[in-house]
Amino acid sequence: QVTLRESGPALVKPTQTLTLTCTFSGFSLSTTGMCVSWIRQPPGKALEWLALIDWDDDKYYSTSLKTRLTISKDTSKNQVVLTMTNMDPVDTATYYCTRTDYGGQYYFDFWGQGTLVTVSS
Amino acid sequence: SYVMTQPPSVSVAPGKTARITCGGNNIGSKTVHWYQQKPGQAPVLVIYYDSDRPSGIPERISGSNSGNTATLTISRVEAGDEADYYCQVWDSSSEGVFGGGTKLTVL
Repeated sequence: QVTLRESGPALVKPTQTLTLTCTFSGFSLSTTGMCVSWIRQPPGKALEWLALIDWDDDKYYSTSLKTRLTISKDTSKNQVVLTMTNMDPVDTATYYCTRTDYGGQYYFDFWGQGTLVTVSS
Repeated sequence: SYVMTQPPSVSVAPGKTARITCGGNNIGSKTVHWYQQKPGQAPVLVIYYDSDRPSGIPERISGSNSGNTATLTISRVEAGDEADYYCQVWDSSSEGVFGGGTKLTVL
């Protein structure tokens, strides 16, 4: 059974750095084809993909946010960490981590429940 | 990056067929995935690789992709199908891209 759970602060101040942790079970990031992505959704708005890390430690970032994002993994702990620098109120959103399957194309087959992050002073 | 356009809303009566489109330049050459998101819940994958269904997704839900339009079709629509639906591709620029989402209303 695949599960993912996001954890991190619910409130951050503008200009601060956000650190989110995804703790997962039911699969291993050392297995070929396994990846984890972060996706966010501002209140009432559409989904936005942020970053992906794969089994081989390759990393991909949203073009529009890549200067602010860092994704990393700890395979032994079954965790993936996303950091986002210089937070702004427009970054207020629910942040999801997802298992991402790669069988030629990437898609998001299991999702965490999401964690709401509010950016406010 | 690649842009996909979805209608903001689609309405359908129970028992009828709903078609939700996802438009993009030559999207037929890409692989499209679809997600269902009910209020207050995380999205759920309902179609991958244009037309494959994950286990547990009813056969009433199907997908197709050709030319400049990918389509999610829901047959015999039920009240429980009311949700937001998002299409997604992996762009050649090596990033994930979502459509703007479509709210399906069951009349």
